[in-house]
Amino acid sequence: GQNIDQPTEMTATEGAIVQINCTYQTSGFNGLFWYQQHAGEAPTFLSYNVLDGLEEKGRFSSFLSRSKGYSYLLLKELQMKDSASYLCAVRDRQGGKLIFGQGTELSVKP
Amino acid sequence: DGGITQSPKYLFRKEGQNVTLSCEQNLNHDAMYWYRQDPGQGLRLIYYSQIVNDFQKGDIAEGYSVSREKKESFPLTVTSAQKNPTAFYLCASSIGLLVSYEQYFGPGTRLTVT
Repeated sequence: GQNIDQPTEMTATEGAIVQINCTYQTSGFNGLFWYQQHAGEAPTFLSYNVLDGLEEKGRFSSFLSRSKGYSYLLLKELQMKDSASYLCAVRDRQGGKLIFGQGTELSVKP
Repeated sequence: DGGITQSPKYLFRKEGQNVTLSCEQNLNHDAMYWYRQDPGQGLRLIYYSQIVNDFQKGDIAEGYSVSREKKESFPLTVTSAQKNPTAFYLCASSIGLLVSYEQYFGPGTRLTVT
């Protein structure tokens, strides 16, 4: 079967660092995406990993371990505007479709 | 400016009525998708299309129908057969289905059926 797990909610403090984990079990793998979604808005693309390792992009970094079926999104120097839902999605090798996790609701407190 | 538009942002319908949600893109993308999002849940794929005049069922296609007569347009019809139609509907597009490019999302349509 296909399964993607993320924590439902997380809380962090402004200025701190937070790591959002994602584990997956899918029939095939052709890349992992992270999206940010503010309440009532469209998801926006954050990062893409297809090879093992860390991809850094400003305050955001994403890590992938294909052998462990594991990824994380690291957010540094948290700002209030980072309060949002973070969606992990795996691309299915067979059809190229994205399979989304339920999302992690991050609340950043002052 | 290139992008994806969905209209309207909010839509209200009575139970038993069919309703069509529009999705238009001017990104020249071949692939288009429809997702449904319920509170506290991730996105679930309803239908997708790799190319004009072709579309495939996603994971929850029952009670929905689509057409792809033009590259720019991928309207979704929510039929009266859909048992729980109230949800947030998102349309997306990408350069292609079988390539490693991200999907771009429209602003969404929140449908309420009473």
